[in-house]
Amino acid sequence: GEDVEQSLFLSVREGDSSVINCTYTDSSSTYLYWYKQEPGAGLQLLTYIFSNMDMKQDQRLTVLLNKKDKHLSLRIADTQTGDSAIYFCAESIGYKLSFGAGTTVTVRA
Amino acid sequence: GAGVSQTPSNKVTEKGKYVELRCDPISGHTALYWYRQSLGQGPEFLIYFQGTGAADDSGLPNDRFFAVRPEGSVSTLKIQRTERGDSAVYLCASSLYNSGTDTQYFGPGTRLTVL
Repeated sequence: GEDVEQSLFLSVREGDSSVINCTYTDSSSTYLYWYKQEPGAGLQLLTYIFSNMDMKQDQRLTVLLNKKDKHLSLRIADTQTGDSAIYFCAESIGYKLSFGAGTTVTVRA
Repeated sequence: GAGVSQTPSNKVTEKGKYVELRCDPISGHTALYWYRQSLGQGPEFLIYFQGTGAADDSGLPNDRFFAVRPEGSVSTLKIQRTERGDSAVYLCASSLYNSGTDTQYFGPGTRLTVL
């Protein structure tokens, strides 16, 4: 269901930073996730953040959470061609994940 | 196994036929989930198993869809009288428990095409 919204496309130059944005609606979400999907592959968990945190950094990935505005972002530093994929934001309400439609990230040389 | 596996990877069938899709979760994971991903969309929840029982099947679209997990490990999603609108990628995920803090690990999916 589209309680989670994302922009559909992002084009970024290799070496630049990518920022993917997401809004969600359920304030009771406990965890928020970012998954990556490459063509023909399943979903790969990239990172997640607990709802009482503002920021989480994991190597090239930085997640920012604004709980008041129900806004989540994923920043990828030094974007590489291997980062080209579809990125899904998801909120968890208990065991159930609700996904956005995905942001297709294209990395150009 | 090392990850969640799903078979077949692709299934082409004709309208009205019956299909079964299989999921092997990560060994030791008690919770298992099925999602459906239509073209250009994110995955949508179908059903959740805790052990052998379906704890939540609220996402199944209608009574043509049914899933089992008889021994608390492998699960089979069954679709009767398939329709063209059932065409999608069916994803399976598993997690260690179901506390909501446990990460769901996804399999590669089964792409179902109904002609």
